[in-house]
Amino acid sequence: KAGVTQTPRYLIKTRGQQVTLSCSPISGHRSVSWYQQTPGQGLQFLFEYFSETQRNKGNFPGRFSGRQFSNSRSEMNVSTLELGDSALYLCASSEGQAHPSGNTIYFGEGSWLTVV
Amino acid sequence: GESVGLHLPTLSVQEGDNSIINCAYSNSASDYFIWYKQESGKGPQFIIDIRSNMDKRQGQRVTVLLNKTVKHLSLQIAATQPGDSAVYFCAENEGSNYKLTFGKGTLLTVNP
Repeated sequence: KAGVTQTPRYLIKTRGQQVTLSCSPISGHRSVSWYQQTPGQGLQFLFEYFSETQRNKGNFPGRFSGRQFSNSRSEMNVSTLELGDSALYLCASSEGQAHPSGNTIYFGEGSWLTVV
Repeated sequence: GESVGLHLPTLSVQEGDNSIINCAYSNSASDYFIWYKQESGKGPQFIIDIRSNMDKRQGQRVTVLLNKTVKHLSLQIAATQPGDSAVYFCAENEGSNYKLTFGKGTLLTVNP
């Protein structure tokens, strides 16, 4: 079974631009979460989607948005990029049913975003 | 690959020794805890988890201990191998939220 797949793996953007990152969850998984990882702040939760609905949201500005499609694939978008948005963006998937303890949360390899 | 978490607590052990990585969590309402391993340039890899109604759980070469009184979690790795070298994160979750809160991580270095 294929793991969580994220594209692109590396990208460089200019301040003020926008970026879209894509995530394909493990087959059969309906929950997709996004995390930002930086040296200063560590791993921080962005948002989580289940069956095309956002169930949970972290404390990030409105420039960060996401969506989930009917096939469970997800995208996240960051508009008006700032230098501080440079980070590793990680996607995680799980079956998403009931309590997380019955549904292992698996991570992808991440998308490295550099804003210049 | 690139690395994240450049200023982390570090633990250096000799190959074959046992390792203990500690984590203090913040939310007394958290009821589910996970340990992840992250190698350079890769995403976090699930190691072992534990629910708050347990205080110990064992896997293959790993054991997680949970002390809810002092909000402390530890990961024990038996017979540590060079391939265990990585950053280890604890994560906590409350209720049915799929919203993990991660600790800062510990860099484990295994010397041959």
